[in-house]
Amino acid sequence: GNSVTQMEGPVTLSEEAFLTINCTYTATGYPSLFWYVQYPGEGLQLLLKATKADDKGSNKGFEATYRKETTSFHLEKGSVQVSDSAVYFCALSDSRGSNYKLTFGKGTLLTVNP
Amino acid sequence: GAGVSQTPSNKVTEKGKYVELRCDPISGHTALYWYRQSLGQGPEFLIYFQGTGAADDSGLPNDRFFAVRPEGSVSTLKIQRTERGDSAMYLCASSSRDYYNEQFFGPGTRLTVL
Repeated sequence: GNSVTQMEGPVTLSEEAFLTINCTYTATGYPSLFWYVQYPGEGLQLLLKATKADDKGSNKGFEATYRKETTSFHLEKGSVQVSDSAVYFCALSDSRGSNYKLTFGKGTLLTVNP
Repeated sequence: GAGVSQTPSNKVTEKGKYVELRCDPISGHTALYWYRQSLGQGPEFLIYFQGTGAADDSGLPNDRFFAVRPEGSVSTLKIQRTERGDSAMYLCASSSRDYYNEQFFGPGTRLTVL
């Protein structure tokens, strides 16, 4: 079956530090890959996505590249801000027809200190 | 426009009781998903609706769990004879026909079974 493994947290960084959160996956077929973010007290929000190999998803300074050869989709940001403090989830969907149910990793808590 | 809404935001019940959790998807979204998120874990798929029909209920843990979407919009997740292990955050998500691959999540219902 499908699975997602992401770097365990918590991760604590100082403002303007470089961020990497690792994510690898196992799936049949050719999944789409996602990063979702959950800010304190809020619901899950789609941060970025990539639908095929070598695609790069980007949003709000975050980037992730779909690497089929290493089955990875690592999240990166060059300079984090205090407002980036949140839980980040890597996810995949392996569509069957119109069913795009998501398989999530366990989440990584990021805390950015001023 | 309005996002996905879920009611109640919190539900505390006693073991053995029946509960209903409601989801209002974004207007016009044909696909609706339910997920369950335990503390410290990523969301896990429960059931997927395309229109009024449950197209995939493979994630429902047992026959105490049931969900309906009678008019293709609002959905209700029903849990009979609740158990303490059912305590979790229950999330609903919807997506449109044109963008199946992008799910929008509601804020969730926190269910606590005493």
